[in-house]
Amino acid sequence: SQQGEEDPQALSIQEGENATMNCSYKTSINNLQWYRQNSGRGLVHLILIRSNEREKHSGRLRVTLDTSKKSSSLLITASRAADTASYFCATHGAGSYQLTFGKGTKLSVIP
Amino acid sequence: SQTIHQWPATLVQPVGSPLSLECTVEGTSNPNLYWYRQAAGRGLQLLFYSVGIGQISSEVPQNLSASRPQDRQFILSSKKLLLSDSGFYLCAWSPQGGKGYNEQFFGPGTRLTVL
Repeated sequence: SQQGEEDPQALSIQEGENATMNCSYKTSINNLQWYRQNSGRGLVHLILIRSNEREKHSGRLRVTLDTSKKSSSLLITASRAADTASYFCATHGAGSYQLTFGKGTKLSVIP
Repeated sequence: SQTIHQWPATLVQPVGSPLSLECTVEGTSNPNLYWYRQAAGRGLQLLFYSVGIGQISSEVPQNLSASRPQDRQFILSSKKLLLSDSGFYLCAWSPQGGKGYNEQFFGPGTRLTVL
């Protein structure tokens, strides 16, 4: 079963606006990762945040993790049309090789 | 730098036919290797993973099998395809160590349609 659940399922914004996507999970994790997938392509790793971290930045990306609420958020600032893609969160449980993916948020950035 | 290749990119096969999808990784040694399937509009489902040559773990019982004949080669196979095997198949690798608690790097995928 899928542990990560992204919210919203779809998001449409204007270029230049910020986009926020949320992810909730159910069990204890070692780390949580965010990936991007352009239509019909493979996934690209964006950022990994470990269970003992609360916030992480990479360029225009900001990820937060709240282990008490079992939730994470991905913020993309100053969005561009090229950011149009599906975004997935994935969790690594303790002692497991399995990376469990959510169903994704489909982001559309309108020029 | 590391690269991961998958082929073929697309495949249309009749029900009951065999399947062989190949994945190779360059620029790293002894990687963890993974096969995922993605149904339309869905997240990824882990099918198999491997931590070394000849070591395959299956996450979901199904009509598929996997093999790792060489360190950087991972093969997904089926003897007889079902309609439900249609989907987008992705291979990924991650560095060894840390029980796989690392980011994974994905190949471009194979779009399989079973008719």
